[in-house]
Amino acid sequence: GENVEQHPSTLSVQEGDSAVIKCTYSDSASNYFPWYKQELGKRPQLIIDIRSNVGEKKDQRIAVTLNKTAKHFSLHITETQPEDSAVYFCAAKKGQRGTSYGKLTFGQGTILTVHP
Amino acid sequence: SAVISQKPSRDICQRGTSLTIQCQVDSQVTMMFWYRQQPGQSLTLIATANQGSEATYESGFVIDKFPISRPNLTFSTLTVSNMSPEDSSIYLCSVGPGQGAYEQYFGPGTRLTVT
Repeated sequence: GENVEQHPSTLSVQEGDSAVIKCTYSDSASNYFPWYKQELGKRPQLIIDIRSNVGEKKDQRIAVTLNKTAKHFSLHITETQPEDSAVYFCAAKKGQRGTSYGKLTFGQGTILTVHP
Repeated sequence: SAVISQKPSRDICQRGTSLTIQCQVDSQVTMMFWYRQQPGQSLTLIATANQGSEATYESGFVIDKFPISRPNLTFSTLTVSNMSPEDSSIYLCSVGPGQGAYEQYFGPGTRLTVT
């Protein structure tokens, strides 16, 4: 089955710096790659995602890049703020028979701390 | 995105008992998933629940321990049976795509403590 590796496990940055979290996946048939943010005691929130037919996607201060050849994808947060502090999870999905149906496999998570 | 609610939000249970967790969605969804998140850990899929069929369990999870019902397209239950302290965890339901949509959203979770 799919295996997703996420690095680093912890990341500490100063406010205003950029943060980058990287994930690799094992199944070349995976075609959907979301990122979730989970604040303490809260549910995981979908913050950005990318499909395999796209190399990069941006949404304000966050962006995701995908390298299908190398089977890795990354989350980039620019101009970090203290409220970005949370646990971030990457995931990969292989759609069944090319559809959107399938299950997500999650990475181990990255604890991001943004210091004011 | 769909509005997802879970009941109970938390519970403290005794060893050997069972707890049923409910997940309600405000719109019809094709796929519902149940995850476990142990303290400080990632999310582990327990099973996929599709309406009108048996749930599909992941390796390491069995129906006798985690029976699931999915009576319609807006509701599902997960039962944690014959609980032990190792079952203490957060259990989250998640709803998945509608036709052509890939996004998956999570309920607020049920925090279970087994004593």
